[in-house]
Amino acid sequence: DAKTTQPPSMDCAEGRAANLPCNHSTISGNEYVYWYRQIHSQGPQYIIHGLKNNETNEMASLIITEDRKSSTLILPHATLRDTAVYYCIVRVNTGGFKTIFGAGTRLFVKA
Amino acid sequence: NAGVTQTPKFQVLKTGQSMTLQCAQDMNHEYMSWYRQDPGMGLRLIHYSVGAGITDQGEVPNGYNVSRSTTEDFPLRLLSAAPSQTSVYFCASRKGGTSGNTIYFGEGSWLTVV
Repeated sequence: DAKTTQPPSMDCAEGRAANLPCNHSTISGNEYVYWYRQIHSQGPQYIIHGLKNNETNEMASLIITEDRKSSTLILPHATLRDTAVYYCIVRVNTGGFKTIFGAGTRLFVKA
Repeated sequence: NAGVTQTPKFQVLKTGQSMTLQCAQDMNHEYMSWYRQDPGMGLRLIHYSVGAGITDQGEVPNGYNVSRSTTEDFPLRLLSAAPSQTSVYFCASRKGGTSGNTIYFGEGSWLTVV
């Protein structure tokens, strides 16, 4: 699975959009981009994933660049409860399960 | 539907003791794995399994053993506990094939080795 690079931490004002970047310059054609988050010491929670096209669900939007070498997770109206560590992962959808998590980005949402 | 269940939630061990962290899932998922998370750090993969009877090593397998005799269970064994194994352990599972997009995590097991 390709490696990812994320900033270690970011701040965001409550009510504003939080834009979390992720670089994955060695991504392969069959690898998807996944985002998870971990609130405090709970188990990580799935947010969203995509292959080429931008994706949106009730939690967030995922913007993937045309060359697929980077992506951005957007939380449109961040709340204090969105304070968490956000992990960007790239992996294939089939085959083995050797999913590697990096250090992630620690997002602080401030009132 | 309980999802991924880990036991115990908290455990204190003495150096050299052995123990088993239990993990069970009731979603009929083919894939299961164990991660550890040290304070302020990301998740590191210990071992994983793609089905009953099949296991493989992750990033940090030393000092741990796993087995997968059933689809539901994936226990993690610490052979001789060391202080360096003090960590939070997360078990995870997902469905195989193209429909297995989401990884489900347990609530974690806090282990302290003194």
